[in-house]
Amino acid sequence: EDQVTQSPEALRLQEGESSSLNCSYTVSGLRGLFWYRQDPGKGPEFLFTLYSAGEEKEKERLKATLTKKESFLHITAPKPEDSATYLCAVQAGNTGFQKLVFGTGTRLLVSP
Amino acid sequence: NAGVTQTPKFQVLKTGQSMTLQCAQDMNHNSMYWYRQDPGMGLRLIYYSASEGTTDKGEVPNGYNVSRLNKREFSLRLESAAPSQTSVYFCASSELGSSPLHFGNGTRLTVT
Repeated sequence: EDQVTQSPEALRLQEGESSSLNCSYTVSGLRGLFWYRQDPGKGPEFLFTLYSAGEEKEKERLKATLTKKESFLHITAPKPEDSATYLCAVQAGNTGFQKLVFGTGTRLLVSP
Repeated sequence: NAGVTQTPKFQVLKTGQSMTLQCAQDMNHNSMYWYRQDPGMGLRLIYYSASEGTTDKGEVPNGYNVSRLNKREFSLRLESAAPSQTSVYFCASSELGSSPLHFGNGTRLTVT
């Protein structure tokens, strides 16, 4: 069974304090790994897609990396506006269509 | 561009009542999805429509029906609501089956 585990469940950082969020996965052939950001009361917003081990993507203070077993979302010098829940999802290669398996997310709070 | 629009934003139902959640997208996307999000659980796929005229079951379809009215609109119907269907429901769309999802801002449903 395809599974996604995110850690930590919650993370509190001071502004400027860099850290990483983890997404561990077990899947029957990875077709893609997705990172989304979700603000309270809103729907998830797409950040990155990673397809193969060794791949990296960057956007502002965020950098996503991928290995064969996990992905990391690195946050460099975070600001309060980076506070949100970050969701990871995987698409298995053996599915005929996009059936994503989502993790439960990491709630990030960045204090000024 | 509104993106993905869901109505209503909030709804309270009594057990046994029925209702339809509406979703429309203006991005000319081919594929549309319905997810539910519950505390401590990842987003779970209820139904999806790969293209206009087709619908398929996702991970948790029991108690729901869907209609792909046209390319823009995809509705979710609860025929006889149960307390276990209390959740936040998200509609999403994507250009292709492997493309990132674009989410609406959700419908918060409470069944008493």
